[in-house]
Amino acid sequence: GEDVEQSLFLSVREGDSSVINCTYTDSSSTYLYWYKQEPGAGLQLLTYIFSNMDMKQDQRLTVLLNKKDKHLSLRIADTQTGDSAIYFCAESMDIGTADSWGKLQFGAGTQVVVTP
Amino acid sequence: NAGVTQTPKFRVLKTGQSMTLLCAQDMNHEYMYWYRQDPGMGLRLIHYSVGEGTTAKGEVPDGYNVSRLKKQNFLLGLESAAPSQTSVYFCASTRPNTDTQYFGPGTRLTVL
Repeated sequence: GEDVEQSLFLSVREGDSSVINCTYTDSSSTYLYWYKQEPGAGLQLLTYIFSNMDMKQDQRLTVLLNKKDKHLSLRIADTQTGDSAIYFCAESMDIGTADSWGKLQFGAGTQVVVTP
Repeated sequence: NAGVTQTPKFRVLKTGQSMTLLCAQDMNHEYMYWYRQDPGMGLRLIHYSVGEGTTAKGEVPDGYNVSRLKKQNFLLGLESAAPSQTSVYFCASTRPNTDTQYFGPGTRLTVL
């Protein structure tokens, strides 16, 4: 089963804000990530947040982290048709050993569809 | 830089056939990963490598083998393909103490 959970689908109108939610289970995760996958392509890192932060803003993207509830969200302002994609939440599985660095646990992905 | 490349892009196998997927990166990354992506399940880690000559099992290693003879290449082998291995396979790489995994474009494998 998944340790990282996301809703599977989100429909949003062009110009509105999108909010994609994610819950995770490993409270020791040092980093949490959002990846974007466009049709037929690999995953592209959108943004990430360090676990000691509550919020991170990067242009149209805002990441909110609630460590108490193990809840992560990604807000996309002024959503455009080019934002239609699958968005994956991921938590780092790094436990400080050399062989754990870079290992990620992914959610199932949220399909975002932007309508005109 | 080409980044992370994967060969082939598509492949259809019959049950019991074998094949090797190739992942290559030109970023001098130490760490490389093989994932499979199935509908509704996200990405699951098959095997990974933290350096040339080393490999380790991930979450779903059964039915797969890997080799990392050269730093830039990470091979994923299926010795006897099964329909359950029908999936999209992604390779990724990263270097220590960075935040970003770089992904290849994927290989879509169908086992009949």
